[in-house]
Amino acid sequence: DVKVTQSSRYLVKRTGEKVFLECVQDMDHENMFWYRQDPGLGLRLIYFSYDVKMKEKGDIPEGYSVSREKKERFSLILESASTNQTSMYLCASSSQGSRETQYFGPGTRLLVL
Amino acid sequence: KNQVEQSPQSLIILEGKNCTLQCNYTVSPFSNLRWYKQDTGRGPVSLTIMTFSENTKSNGRYTATLDADTKQSSLHITASQLSDSASYICVVSPRNFGNEKLTFGTGTRLTIIP
Repeated sequence: DVKVTQSSRYLVKRTGEKVFLECVQDMDHENMFWYRQDPGLGLRLIYFSYDVKMKEKGDIPEGYSVSREKKERFSLILESASTNQTSMYLCASSSQGSRETQYFGPGTRLLVL
Repeated sequence: KNQVEQSPQSLIILEGKNCTLQCNYTVSPFSNLRWYKQDTGRGPVSLTIMTFSENTKSNGRYTATLDADTKQSSLHITASQLSDSASYICVVSPRNFGNEKLTFGTGTRLTIIP
């Protein structure tokens, strides 16, 4: 059974803190993605990676960075958290190709105070 | 700009009834369209995928249809169950890209009441 896990289900952080969100997949997928999901908006792509140590900006990369040191792990970093980064963060992985299904983790609900 | 619009935003139906959710998109050229189910507090799970040459795809009580000419898709749920309560998200992939260029709809929130 495919599995994408995220390190935390809920996080509360203060403005200015550095925040790490971790994602691990066990399907040997090449591609990994970070999205944020906000009410009334569709999922928006923050960053994606198609290989170890490779990263590409998505639609809303500002205020975020990522790290992919191992194939199974993709980390999202908020260098200095701000209140407008309060959101649900979803990690996904897939094989390469436009028809490949993205498998999502359970999400991390982040609250920045 | 590529867009995916879903209707209705929310829907409440009685258990056992059928319902149909709509998705209109402007993505062009088009590669494939997916429907995802997202339970509250969970990540989305894929239900169906259709390419431009397919016009219907079933997954149990879920049947998706696609009209690539009018750029419309629908998801029909038959004999609804309480476990069908979730958000249903339409996702469109453009041609000539991998799956990093998906456009997500905002979803339809479906509530099944006993």
